[in-house]
Amino acid sequence: TQLLEQSPQFLSIQEGENLTVYCNSSSVFSSLQWYRQEPGEGPVLLVTVVTGGEVKKLKRLTFQFGDARKDSSLHITAAQPGDTGLYLCAGRGFGNEKLTFGTGTRLTIIP
Amino acid sequence: NAGVTQTPKFQVLKTGQSMTLQCAQDMNHEYMSWYRQDPGMGLRLIHYSVGAGITDQGEVPNGYNVSRSTTEDFPLRLLSAAPSQTSVYFCASSYSAGRMGEAFFGQGTRLTVV
Repeated sequence: TQLLEQSPQFLSIQEGENLTVYCNSSSVFSSLQWYRQEPGEGPVLLVTVVTGGEVKKLKRLTFQFGDARKDSSLHITAAQPGDTGLYLCAGRGFGNEKLTFGTGTRLTIIP
Repeated sequence: NAGVTQTPKFQVLKTGQSMTLQCAQDMNHEYMSWYRQDPGMGLRLIHYSVGAGITDQGEVPNGYNVSRSTTEDFPLRLLSAAPSQTSVYFCASSYSAGRMGEAFFGQGTRLTVV
């Protein structure tokens, strides 16, 4: 079983602050995705990274895939209340179809 | 576009009862999967299918059965419900299982077993 550990599990910060969420594993993944989930809804894809060291930006969100393809980070600049939600990383293995999800980070941005 | 539709949204079962959680997608996706979501544990894969007639186990398959007779439908069966199966269940589909494959999720079924 490929395990993905996310940290922190909970994060509550003031609007305008910066934050980083981490996703770590001892396994190597062919790609890594980040999803955001709001209460009562299913997760929605934010980004996919496929190359070791790759950095992708989505407005105020910056995603990085580790050089060894075992870890990833999500950095949010100037957090806003609309960023509140559960953030999930998910890794896809090589030669299989399974998508393994991380333990999740519940983010709350206080106005 | 309906996307991925799950029914019911809420269900309460007594221990030992059986039921089927329905999942249908209208995007002609080959790959479908079922996850359960419990506090602090993210989503855990129960069963998945890479096409009609083909299913395989995920990391927590015990107590659940699936079948895939059509591309559109992927029902999840609980044969004899147990309190440990109290959870929120999500069905997902994707066009392919390749590295870029985006998973589209239903809204979930909140199941309570008493």
